[in-house]
Amino acid sequence: SQQGEEDPQALSIQEGENATMNCSYKTSINNLQWYRQNSGRGLVHLILIRSNEREKHSGRLRVTLDTSKKSSSLLITASRAADTASYFCATAPTTTNYGGSQGNLIFGKGTKLSVKP
Amino acid sequence: KAGVTQTPRYLIKTRGQQVTLSCSPISGHRSVSWYQQTPGQGLQFLFEYFSETQRNKGNFPGRFSGRQFSNSRSEMNVSTLELGDSALYLCASSLTMGLGAYEQYFGPGTRLTVT
Repeated sequence: SQQGEEDPQALSIQEGENATMNCSYKTSINNLQWYRQNSGRGLVHLILIRSNEREKHSGRLRVTLDTSKKSSSLLITASRAADTASYFCATAPTTTNYGGSQGNLIFGKGTKLSVKP
Repeated sequence: KAGVTQTPRYLIKTRGQQVTLSCSPISGHRSVSWYQQTPGQGLQFLFEYFSETQRNKGNFPGRFSGRQFSNSRSEMNVSTLELGDSALYLCASSLTMGLGAYEQYFGPGTRLTVT
């Protein structure tokens, strides 16, 4: 079953603009991760934020985590056409046997980002 | 280091047949997880193997099974294929497993089409 819900489902912007994607989840987590997937290919890990962290940066990526609201956001600054992809949040829940998995990653349905040159 | 490799990349099968997919993790990674990705259901966790033992299992019928070998390579098998099994099957490896899951490294996936 899905835990994370990304918002929006699709986002279209121009090169150079910032892109913000949001993720909400339902249970307590150990960490939250963001992944990118280029059309029909494998996922690439972008960033991991632990439950006791509030913000993390990696290059043009900025991730925030609000455990009280059970939500996270991913900001991509100065976007490029090469950033066009689907972005997924994935949570590592603390609850055992959630969805049949003990601590493994639960993925949302993703945000499809299109960056126009 | 070489990444996660999956074979075959594409597969076409007919209903009722069975299929075996293979995954070789990154060298040194002992945890291998499998996911099914479909447009309707998104990414769904199938199972995880660590040190040749299935540690976690998702909500899939018994037709889906897997195993892991002593060199950490893993296979998954789907028997009595159904049309709904058409999907991208992704394998991921990580250094370890369990609560507080570490980042996972994904292979390119196997695209299975059932006709």
